[in-house]
Amino acid sequence: QVQLVQSGSELKKPGASVKVSCKASGYSFTTYGINWVRQAPGQGLEWMGWINTNNGNPTYAQGFTGRFVFSLDTSASTAYLQISSLKAEDTAVYYCARPYSSASRGWFDPWGQGTLVTVSS
Amino acid sequence: EIVLTQSPPTLSLSPGERATLSCRASQSVSSYLAWYQQKRGQAPRLLIYDASNRATGIPARFSGSGSGTDFTLTISSLEPEDFAVYYCQQRSNWPYTFGQGTKLEIK
Repeated sequence: QVQLVQSGSELKKPGASVKVSCKASGYSFTTYGINWVRQAPGQGLEWMGWINTNNGNPTYAQGFTGRFVFSLDTSASTAYLQISSLKAEDTAVYYCARPYSSASRGWFDPWGQGTLVTVSS
Repeated sequence: EIVLTQSPPTLSLSPGERATLSCRASQSVSSYLAWYQQKRGQAPRLLIYDASNRATGIPARFSGSGSGTDFTLTISSLEPEDFAVYYCQQRSNWPYTFGQGTKLEIK
């Protein structure tokens, strides 16, 4: 079945970097882009942007430019989210999500299980 | 950016009752609206897309309606597993945005 499996929780100090992985299985990786969504503790969902798995072109939502980088390893069917110069307010669960279908690219399903990134000194 | 406002923030109902959740957009999103369910500690799950289409495997007790700026998610008869947080999301304009959520809790 279609599945996205993310890397485990991370505890980082302010100013450090983190790289979250999202490994896809059960479908052709380059058929669908990968979206990233942030959920701060006790808060709602925030779309961060997406990466085109065909050409590697990333699109970032406002507020996620500069320190946030989407990347791919298509040979491993894996997408990555890297966050640099971490701040306390980056503490959140980060989800990757695939479009529901080729005709419904703005709807997300399935989702990865989420990766908790905690930034604390 | 399109702002989605969900109401009520919290809805307290009993199993077997009917739930009606609302989502209002700050400008028209046509029918480009979806609903997700998120249980504690889990990733969201797509329930409804394009305002009224149930996603694969979603029970018939879930239905969506609306267009333009006003949308409704209805759960016809609540099951114990339906108590969760529900989010609406639009894909009419970038950036895609989500509502702040409605928590459906057991009364």
